[in-house]
Amino acid sequence: GAGVSQSPSNKVTEKGKDVELRCDPISGHTALYWYRQSLGQGLEFLIYFQGNSAPDKSGLPSDRFSAERTGGSVSTLTIQRTQQEDSAVYLCASSLETGLGYNEQFFGPGTRLTVL
Amino acid sequence: DAKTTQPNSMESNEEEPVHLPCNHSTISGTDYIHWYRQLPSQGPEYVIHGLTSNVNNRMASLAIAEDRKSSTLILHRATLRDAAVYYCILRGWETSYDKVIFGPGTSLSVIP
Repeated sequence: GAGVSQSPSNKVTEKGKDVELRCDPISGHTALYWYRQSLGQGLEFLIYFQGNSAPDKSGLPSDRFSAERTGGSVSTLTIQRTQQEDSAVYLCASSLETGLGYNEQFFGPGTRLTVL
Repeated sequence: DAKTTQPNSMESNEEEPVHLPCNHSTISGTDYIHWYRQLPSQGPEYVIHGLTSNVNNRMASLAIAEDRKSSTLILHRATLRDAAVYYCILRGWETSYDKVIFGPGTSLSVIP
């Protein structure tokens, strides 16, 4: 079946502009995660959603970052007033269940954001 | 949070076995040990996971120390396609099952 999809694959924006990144998880997956990966670095946890519970926003780097998940499916990560340090690959992942230590995460291909 | 430590980089010759170590001395009894890998320009992909016993699947084997304070991912026969960054991760209720924290991982180079 279809995997996790993300759009756009690449986004170039000017400093100060707002951007929206989209993630379509695998159908039926209740958990959704956002990560950020700067060039040559590891993955930085940003936020995760599980079912209808309030999301864990503890990884969001500033209040310019926000995310929502509508209808328990598609998620949008919004970055307001983008800065050059926001340039990175933004990765989305989903998994079938939450609260279990063995559920596999499935990652999308990522969105490469470049802030000029 | 329980953390893992891995070597920054390793090299292997093609068609030889590779043993990727991971230390997790503060692991708790409920923590699962997961391995993911990230090929160049791709998102991470699941490799294997285990709790106490050694595990085998089509991609790799996972050897877990008796005290669970360390584990080793074994690629039985490295291919060029196995060149990637390998992440060892703990997932358990103390680290919040869902809040998966990735460390820097081990960058594996495979020499033809």
